[in-house]
Amino acid sequence: GAVVSQHPSWVICKSGTSVKIECRSLDFQATTMFWYRQFPKQSLMLMATSNEGSKATYEQGVEKDKFLINHASLTLSTLTVTSAHPEDSSFYICSARYRNQPQHFGDGTRLSIL
Amino acid sequence: AQSVTQLDSHVSVSEGTPVLLRCNYSSSYSPSLFWYVQHPNKGLQLLLKYTSAATLVKGINGFEAEFKKSETSFHLTKPSAHMSDAAEYFCVVSPRLYNQGGKLIFGQGTELSVKP
Repeated sequence: GAVVSQHPSWVICKSGTSVKIECRSLDFQATTMFWYRQFPKQSLMLMATSNEGSKATYEQGVEKDKFLINHASLTLSTLTVTSAHPEDSSFYICSARYRNQPQHFGDGTRLSIL
Repeated sequence: AQSVTQLDSHVSVSEGTPVLLRCNYSSSYSPSLFWYVQHPNKGLQLLLKYTSAATLVKGINGFEAEFKKSETSFHLTKPSAHMSDAAEYFCVVSPRLYNQGGKLIFGQGTELSVKP
């Protein structure tokens, strides 16, 4: 089956640093990748959608300068949380799809900002 | 406008008894519907999907769901719960049929507990 790998699975860093999260589709070409944020006991909130080779489309209320998304190849997208602060602490999940096939999700990244 | 409502935030069953997780949707078009499962600190795993005329959809791990257009429902069932089924379940709609991978609309989730 389709596999999406997300790295790192857990990261703790100091306030003010930048953190990069990688999302890779291991056995298919991901024409589109999605980034979600999930708060405890809540559903997933879509942050942005990225198509390979083009700029990401951000959802309303998501700061594009805070959450930088790069989709440089058909198998890799990265989310960089810039100048992270404690309120950015959350569970971040990526997903990937090939054309109109269902989305396949990574295992998520637990980000804790001290 | 499209929306998804999961009618129960928490469901508790005993091991070996049936599972019913309820989901109602609203969509202007014929939607694609999905159920995903999330175990603690993990991503989402696709259980099953509805995208065609077959109203009874069978998924992995013994789960199935029935699409009822007249009731705008897509309830998830399993005949016999297993301890490993304890997790969070999300009912998800993608507004357009045959566009399985478009922007997804998530329900709020149902936490399933399984008692020994």
